[in-house]
Amino acid sequence: DVVMTQSPLSLPVTLGQPASISCRSSQSLVYSDGNTYLNWFQQRPGQSPRRLIYKVSNRDSGVPDRFSGSGSGTDFTLRISRVEAEDVGVYYCMQGTHWPRTFGQGTKVEIK
Amino acid sequence: EVQLVESGGGLVQPGGSLRLSCAASGFTLSISGMSWARQAPGKGLEWVSAITVSGGTYYSDSVKGRFTISRDDSKTTLYLQMNSLRDEDTAVYYCAKGTSGMEVWGQGTTVTVSS
Repeated sequence: DVVMTQSPLSLPVTLGQPASISCRSSQSLVYSDGNTYLNWFQQRPGQSPRRLIYKVSNRDSGVPDRFSGSGSGTDFTLRISRVEAEDVGVYYCMQGTHWPRTFGQGTKVEIK
Repeated sequence: EVQLVESGGGLVQPGGSLRLSCAASGFTLSISGMSWARQAPGKGLEWVSAITVSGGTYYSDSVKGRFTISRDDSKTTLYLQMNSLRDEDTAVYYCAKGTSGMEVWGQGTTVTVSS
């Protein structure tokens, strides 16, 4: 199975400051169709997960543009340009290239 | 608007069975891959199973041979039949639209396996 490794696992941030989460996969996530199926999800306290980013860098509808995704191959990053109070929660990366699908351990973002 | 509503969770004894349902609306289930994921209390997300547009099914090693995913396109409902349940299957179970992207999630249904 593809292992997804996130870092850090805990991320205290100051409001208005940037934040960055790394996600590394144990195998390349490039699929035979040329796409890289790397997703990012946000799970606010007490809520269901919500997808923010798909195929590495595409924002879902309604996702603020302060969220951005980048990377390639096995190394990916989620960035928040200026953290707001509503961004508190746990962030997960997930690969949708190989079976079985796998999630990272999650990164808890909290306000300092 | 795409909506997914899970149901069927509850308390079951170890070794027992449950069938979860996921009612889909706002899109055509028959031309969408679908997935199940779960989250044990205080833990992270775990992918469980998926069914592709063509009907192919996939499972995590932890549930293979015990869980079965299926869908009834006429009822626009996704199912997860769970047999031989174990304590470690206790979790909130979510259905999601998509298999490579899981773009929309339901609110979840809670399964508790305990004697």
